Amino acid sequence: AQKVTQAQTEISVVEKEDVTLDCVYETRDTTYYLFWYKQPPSGELVFLIRRNSFDEQNEISGRYSWNFQKSTSSFNFTITASQVVDSAVYFCALITGSSNTGKLIFGQGTTLQVKP
Amino acid sequence: DVKVTQSSRYLVKRTGEKVFLECVQDMDHENMFWYRQDPGLGLRLIYFSYDVKMKEKGDIPEGYSVSREKKERFSLILESASTNQTSMYLCASSSLASQYYEQYFGPGTRLTVT
Repeated sequence: AQKVTQAQTEISVVEKEDVTLDCVYETRDTTYYLFWYKQPPSGELVFLIRRNSFDEQNEISGRYSWNFQKSTSSFNFTITASQVVDSAVYFCALITGSSNTGKLIFGQGTTLQVKP
Repeated sequence: DVKVTQSSRYLVKRTGEKVFLECVQDMDHENMFWYRQDPGLGLRLIYFSYDVKMKEKGDIPEGYSVSREKKERFSLILESASTNQTSMYLCASSSLASQYYEQYFGPGTRLTVT
């Protein structure tokens, strides 16, 4: 079975704090891809990053960083020095290499509120 | 840039009405998807299509149907709208040519059924 779990339903931080959003996935496939999407209040999901199962290098993009650990089946997302504009719902998602339809499996989402 | 558009941002319909939600993508993507999003439940897949006139049921197809007559357009149909179909509906598309299958989303339609 394939599954994505985002155990944190809601997180509230004060601006400039660092925050980590957790994502744990389950799959038996050896080839898979992981994604993070951001959904601001406007509603549209915005693609942030993808990572394939053969690349465990962590990635940093400005204030965003992602920590992929196959040993713990986790793909966590950290925002450094958070800003009010980071307030959004964040989704982690999985697709396996055996998929021939591109069907994504989403976690339940984590709502991040950054207070000024 | 990939663009996915949805016919309405907000829609209010009455119970029993037939409702059409339209989605258009401009990147010649093979795959198109309809999701509904509800608080605490995340995104749930209703239907998807991997080619013209082809469709497959997702996780929650009951009460919905779809139509894909042209590659760029994927319609979601509520045959007889009910209050429990009040939700945010999101359309997405992806390309089989992309090994990553990342999906591109439209802005969403917030449907209220009264």
